[in-house]
Amino acid sequence: ETGVTQTPRHLVMGMTNKKSLKCEQHLGHNAMYWYKQSAKKPLELMFVYSLEERVENNSVPSRFSPECPNSSHLFLHLHTLQPEDSALYLCASSQDRINYGYTFGSGTRLTVV
Amino acid sequence: DQQVKQNSPSLSVQEGRISILNCDYTNSMFDYFLWYKKYPAEGPTFLISISSIKDKNEDGRFTVFLNKSAKHLSLHIVPSQPGDSAVYFCAASVNSGYALNFGKGTSLLVTP
Repeated sequence: ETGVTQTPRHLVMGMTNKKSLKCEQHLGHNAMYWYKQSAKKPLELMFVYSLEERVENNSVPSRFSPECPNSSHLFLHLHTLQPEDSALYLCASSQDRINYGYTFGSGTRLTVV
Repeated sequence: DQQVKQNSPSLSVQEGRISILNCDYTNSMFDYFLWYKKYPAEGPTFLISISSIKDKNEDGRFTVFLNKSAKHLSLHIVPSQPGDSAVYFCAASVNSGYALNFGKGTSLLVTP
């Protein structure tokens, strides 16, 4: 399998649930990202990992917890979310910085009820 | 505060004609600009980019123009094809860093 794969594609969770989003890249890239896309808003950068170290954290609430166990895998752990957290969560990877652009996954559509 | 703005939410163009998508930015430190294309139920895909040392970059039917003094860039698609119908996002970065600042996107519809 090639590219960036995200699972699940769709997720519905209650506000008291704990769930995780998974991202896997097969491109040999060394940087991985989580972005959030809410309705009528631009894509918002949440976290950046380079060589498995977090290099950016854009004031994201602690109910979102990223994990990057190796350069091919990225997780976003979710707990006690709010309905306004419902959005499309996109994972991306790149080789070094963005000079050649990101490769995005298809996203996880999250609904918090 | 949004630093990358795409003021046209949608655009409709006839097949074979030119599509021009516009993007404005406010941060003069941006030095690298990219365009992404997104189909429904898919992630955005990288289309074309331009460095601030250039004012034009061309790749097949796609050309990006950069006007630094006006803090404006545009994407030209010639000739437009029905398969180009998608949402187009403009993005920019500082020092070609990791983070991209995205616009809200412009939905392009190319009609036969």
